[in-house]
Amino acid sequence: DAMVIQNPRYQVTQFGKPVTLSCSQTLNHNVMYWYQQKSSQAPKLLFHYYDKDFNNEADTPDNFQSRRPNTSFCFLDIRSPGLGDTAMYLCATSSTGSYGYTFGSGTRLTVV
Amino acid sequence: GESVGLHLPTLSVQEGDNSIINCAYSNSASDYFIWYKQESGKGPQFIIDIRSNMDKRQGQRVTVLLNKTVKHLSLQIAATQPGDSAVYFCAEKDNQGGKLIFGQGTELSVKP
Repeated sequence: DAMVIQNPRYQVTQFGKPVTLSCSQTLNHNVMYWYQQKSSQAPKLLFHYYDKDFNNEADTPDNFQSRRPNTSFCFLDIRSPGLGDTAMYLCATSSTGSYGYTFGSGTRLTVV
Repeated sequence: GESVGLHLPTLSVQEGDNSIINCAYSNSASDYFIWYKQESGKGPQFIIDIRSNMDKRQGQRVTVLLNKTVKHLSLQIAATQPGDSAVYFCAEKDNQGGKLIFGQGTELSVKP
């Protein structure tokens, strides 16, 4: 069973139209991460939560926001998407039994 | 800033041969190194990890080697199969905040 679930799998939005991506985890872990992965590139960390403590990466644009209403759910809000925000967005939490993270299947966002 | 990078963007091997995927890292203070496999349209999938106090770790058909002297990490896949075709990322875990930093990836193609 999937432990990190992202919805939707595919999202198309218009330039400048706000969009929200969602993530849930069944592991009940404290930390959740959002990564952006552009075509043929490595995932890049946008921000993470430790419990309700929000930690933004220094180079994450202000256009990207996040909410974590409870342990299980985390949302990525893009206030005014630009064409350059077209990417795969990956959610993750800490893993049980390894030093890495457990990732969801991602949401592929296309801005038109 | 600190980063993890890969030597080769693509690797093509014959089915049944062994594959070796290399990675150079720059942060000598990182404690953990992880290899991920990412198939097209999916999230990264954990393969194997290694702690910095080890130089070798074996899994099922995979071996990770760590050479701290030259800051080099490699992933060996034995008897490569068509299902191994994917992009492989190495990642290091920031031991200050626990953040995972990815290298650029190697695309492995397995020829039947």
